[in-house]
Amino acid sequence: DIQMTQSPSSLSASVGDRVTITCRASQGIRNYLAWFQQKPGKAPKSLIYAASSLQSGVPSKFSGSGSGTDFTLTIDSLQPEDFATYYCQQYNTFPYTFGQGTKLEIK
Amino acid sequence: EVQLVESGGGLVQPGRSLRLSCTASGFTFGDYAMSWVRQAPGKGLEWVGFVRSKAYGGTTEYAASVRGRFTISRDDSESIAYLQMNSLKTEDTAVYYCTRVNGIAVAGWVVDYWGQGTLVTVSS
Repeated sequence: DIQMTQSPSSLSASVGDRVTITCRASQGIRNYLAWFQQKPGKAPKSLIYAASSLQSGVPSKFSGSGSGTDFTLTIDSLQPEDFATYYCQQYNTFPYTFGQGTKLEIK
Repeated sequence: EVQLVESGGGLVQPGRSLRLSCTASGFTFGDYAMSWVRQAPGKGLEWVGFVRSKAYGGTTEYAASVRGRFTISRDDSESIAYLQMNSLKTEDTAVYYCTRVNGIAVAGWVVDYWGQGTLVTVSS
């Protein structure tokens, strides 16, 4: 199975900051990488697919990049509603696999 | 508006069976693949399995942890996806989410919508 490793596992930031989360695949996955946001007690929400394409309705403050094994999610101008846990997922090869998550907390 | 509503969760003893349903609305169900993702209490997301649309054969894929015990199926006439779970183990305790999967050219099978989830607790 393809292992997905996110870093950092947790991150403290302030409102207005710009943050970047990294996701690394154990083997090449082309650009078949998605990002999801999950708030406590809620279902995940789809943010990005194909490494850099925004899902419908997702604000442009979210951006993704990467290809092959290394990917990033960047969030500009953090607002209180952005503090959540973020997951990457590879969907290049079955079984699809998720990263362990990055918890973004308010500093 | 796309809606996915899971049902069928609850408390079940180890070794027993349970069937979850995912009722879809707001889109042409038969045009999309569907998948299930679970989340154990306090843990991360785990992909469970996937069923293709009939246009792609309606075939299924599973995680190793559930293969041979879980079966995903679909009823396009009722817009429902199912997750049949047999020989349940305590480690299957989790919130189970149904997702819509959109096949996008040169972008693969993309999860775009999630249900609210249903809790399955496996305990004696």
